[in-house]
Amino acid sequence: AQKITQTQPGMFVQEKEAVTLDCTYDTSDPSYGLFWYKQPSSGEMIFLIYQGSYDQQNATEGRYSLNFQKARKSANLVISASQLGDSAMYFCAMRSLFSGGYNKLIFGAGTRLAVHP
Amino acid sequence: DVKVTQSSRYLVKRTGEKVFLECVQDMDHENMFWYRQDPGLGLRLIYFSYDVKMKEKGDIPEGYSVSREKKERFSLILESASTNQTSMYLCASRARIAGQGRDTIYFGEGSWLTVV
Repeated sequence: AQKITQTQPGMFVQEKEAVTLDCTYDTSDPSYGLFWYKQPSSGEMIFLIYQGSYDQQNATEGRYSLNFQKARKSANLVISASQLGDSAMYFCAMRSLFSGGYNKLIFGAGTRLAVHP
Repeated sequence: DVKVTQSSRYLVKRTGEKVFLECVQDMDHENMFWYRQDPGLGLRLIYFSYDVKMKEKGDIPEGYSVSREKKERFSLILESASTNQTSMYLCASRARIAGQGRDTIYFGEGSWLTVV
């Protein structure tokens, strides 16, 4: 069975510092995709970054980077130079790239990040 | 910009009432989804639809049904609302792009449903 685990229910970081949000996953599929979403207090889910299981390099999108360690089945999100607007709930998610699981995005429980001035 | 719009942001319904949650997307996406979000559980898939009139059960379909009569609209129906269905409901849509796992799923702003 596929599963996403986010072990940090809450994290605090000082403004302008970097922070790492942990995500481990479990799947038997050889081909899969990993996503990170941000959910501010308003409720909408905002796509941040994607990593494919066969991608050779770690994904980066602006201040977001994904530390992908395939052997450890981890896909941690790194936010550099934190800003007050980064305070939100962050979800890690996974999708199988086989047709049977292609439409199903499995989510972790989320990590609430608070950025302090 | 992709727009996924959920008709109601906040609803309060009584136990036993029939509840409709409506979702509309403006990007001609084939795939649409309904998730519910509960603290500590993340998002769980209720139903998804891969085309008009086509649907598949997700992980927690019990107590819910869906309708997709038009491509842009996907409705979630609670036939007889119960208090354990109090939750945040999120609609999402995605274009079907064969062979590309990175196609993004776009979410609406969510509907907060309270069943009393």
